[in-house]
Amino acid sequence: EPEVTQTPSHQVTQMGQEVILRCVPISNHLYFYWYRQILGQKVEFLVSFYNNEISEKSEIFDDQFSVERPDGSNFTLKIRSTKLEDSAMYFCASSLGTQTYGYTFGSGTRLTVV
Amino acid sequence: DAKTTQPPSMDCAEGRAANLPCNHSTISGNEYVYWYRQIHSQGPQYIIHGLKNNETNEMASLIITEDRKSSTLILPHATLRDTAVYYCIDRLYNQGGKLIFGQGTELSVKP
Repeated sequence: EPEVTQTPSHQVTQMGQEVILRCVPISNHLYFYWYRQILGQKVEFLVSFYNNEISEKSEIFDDQFSVERPDGSNFTLKIRSTKLEDSAMYFCASSLGTQTYGYTFGSGTRLTVV
Repeated sequence: DAKTTQPPSMDCAEGRAANLPCNHSTISGNEYVYWYRQIHSQGPQYIIHGLKNNETNEMASLIITEDRKSSTLILPHATLRDTAVYYCIDRLYNQGGKLIFGQGTELSVKP
């Protein structure tokens, strides 16, 4: 069964550093997403991406965040200057964009900011 | 914020059916009911979805009341591996729309 692949599985970074989280969505999917989950809290929507541009973003997705699909297969989330409160699991997801199918989520990247 | 309400936790005996309820008090006509689950901090996993008819797939059955204000996810023969947090989500009928997760129901399947 096709999978969404995320790397790395765990990243530790110092406060103020830039970090890039990587995702390879399912190849024929058209919509791409990032979600995050702070330990013990809900899964929160960050951003959706379609046709090479952001289609929707949440309040969390401020100027410190950016997304990119640099080469037609990878989908990245960049955090420009990490803060302690950015520590969370970050999940990438992709979908065909139809009602017939659900989203497929990756297994996540655990980001720890120290 | 999530629009659905679910009990925070439930227990189920292994091999028995698990029936997980969800209230959709503000669901609109163009919103589907989706169910996902999350096993121990893994990525959420799609289970099933429906609009107004009951649905069944290899994982579960979904019962939606006629007024669509409530739904029930049924795992017919729960196993220990079904222990997870289960989320019901109302999703707009637009392509690529986001999912809004609530707190979900933590299902514990016990031997």
